[in-house]
Amino acid sequence: DAKTTQPPSMDCAEGRAANLPCNHSTISGNEYVYWYRQIHSQGPQYIIHGLKNNETNEMASLIITEDRKSSTLILPHATLRDTAVYYCIVRVALGGGYNKLIFGAGTRLAVHP
Amino acid sequence: DAMVIQNPRYQVTQFGKPVTLSCSQTLNHNVMYWYQQKSSQAPKLLFHYYDKDFNNEADTPDNFQSRRPNTSFCFLDIRSPGLGDAAMYLCATSRDRLGSAYEQYFGPGTRLTVT
Repeated sequence: DAKTTQPPSMDCAEGRAANLPCNHSTISGNEYVYWYRQIHSQGPQYIIHGLKNNETNEMASLIITEDRKSSTLILPHATLRDTAVYYCIVRVALGGGYNKLIFGAGTRLAVHP
Repeated sequence: DAMVIQNPRYQVTQFGKPVTLSCSQTLNHNVMYWYQQKSSQAPKLLFHYYDKDFNNEADTPDNFQSRRPNTSFCFLDIRSPGLGDAAMYLCATSRDRLGSAYEQYFGPGTRLTVT
């Protein structure tokens, strides 16, 4: 299973961009990179995912390096409500067409005024 | 609109007393998952159902079992809870097809306390 490495914590000022890095050097060609976040005492929330190309949605942007060994999640204008633990996950493909997510330790992002 | 619903949100049980946690979904997803999340740790997958096909993780204790009577509902049964089973239990669902990318939708969790 491809593993991910993230910094344990990061700080960001409100209104600034938050750039959360993730290393996944053992990722295989057909594995996707997913990002979820978990606000305190809530269930994890899906943010974005990608395979090779950079992706953007209403929540964030995902930048994946050309060799796919690392990625960066960008929250363009962080707010206090973005304070959460952010998980970078490589989707593990199982037989039969279904998959599972293996959560690592994640990055605890603190957005401050 | 609630999509993955877990009841109750907080559950207190006594050591050794069986307890059942419930999850329901309005998404009509074919896959349902149960995760255990202990304090300050990441969620850990216990098992999942692909339709009616049950899949246990290798390190999930025998004390944990699950039932899925229909597409919408899934139950987590803890036969004899120990103090170490105190945790947040998260239910998730996804629509899965071979070769497709997907996302999991999580419920708010049930926090289990064992006294």
